[in-house]
Amino acid sequence: GAGVSQSPSNKVTEKGKDVELRCDPISGHTALYWYRQSLGQGLEFLIYFQGNSAPDKSGLPSDRFSAERTGGSVSTLTIQRTQQEDSAVYLCASSQSPHRGSSPLHFGNGTRLTVT
Amino acid sequence: QQQVKQSPQSLIVQKGGISIINCAYENTAFDYFPWYQQFPGKGPALLIAIRPDVSEKKEGRFTISFNKSAKQFSLHIMDSQPGDSATYFCAASSGAGSYQLTFGKGTKLSVIP
Repeated sequence: GAGVSQSPSNKVTEKGKDVELRCDPISGHTALYWYRQSLGQGLEFLIYFQGNSAPDKSGLPSDRFSAERTGGSVSTLTIQRTQQEDSAVYLCASSQSPHRGSSPLHFGNGTRLTVT
Repeated sequence: QQQVKQSPQSLIVQKGGISIINCAYENTAFDYFPWYQQFPGKGPALLIAIRPDVSEKKEGRFTISFNKSAKQFSLHIMDSQPGDSATYFCAASSGAGSYQLTFGKGTKLSVIP
């Protein structure tokens, strides 16, 4: 079946502009995560959605970052007033359930964001 | 605070050799330790995972060794192949909270013929 789909695959934007990144998780997966991967760094947790529960936003680096998940499926990560330090690959992942022992994270190929 | 420290940052191994990547953690609440493999332009994919109730887990050429008292775990790739060339991330999570994974910074492995 189809994997996690992210769009766009690449995004170049000017400093100060807003951007929206989209994630289509695997059908039936209730858990959805956003991570950020900067050059030479590991994966930095941003936000987690599980079903209809309130999202865990503890990883969002500033109030310029927000995310929503509509209908328990598609998710959008929005970055307002982008800064150069926001340049990174933004990865979305989904899993079948929060019981990670039996349900690994399935990652999309990411959106490479470049802020000029 | 980096909760999972991974080394080395890069590794070059001859084809047929053994690749070893090490990770250390600080949070004693961690109880799940996966390794992810990432090829250029792709998202990470789960390679193998271990829980602290066992000291070793093997899947094909890939083995995780776990030392709970030292709070360390490592990935061994036996008979390394050029197709294994990728970036490897160790990670850890605890049973509490949102099950978010804390990742190491990654090791870029190059297997040369």
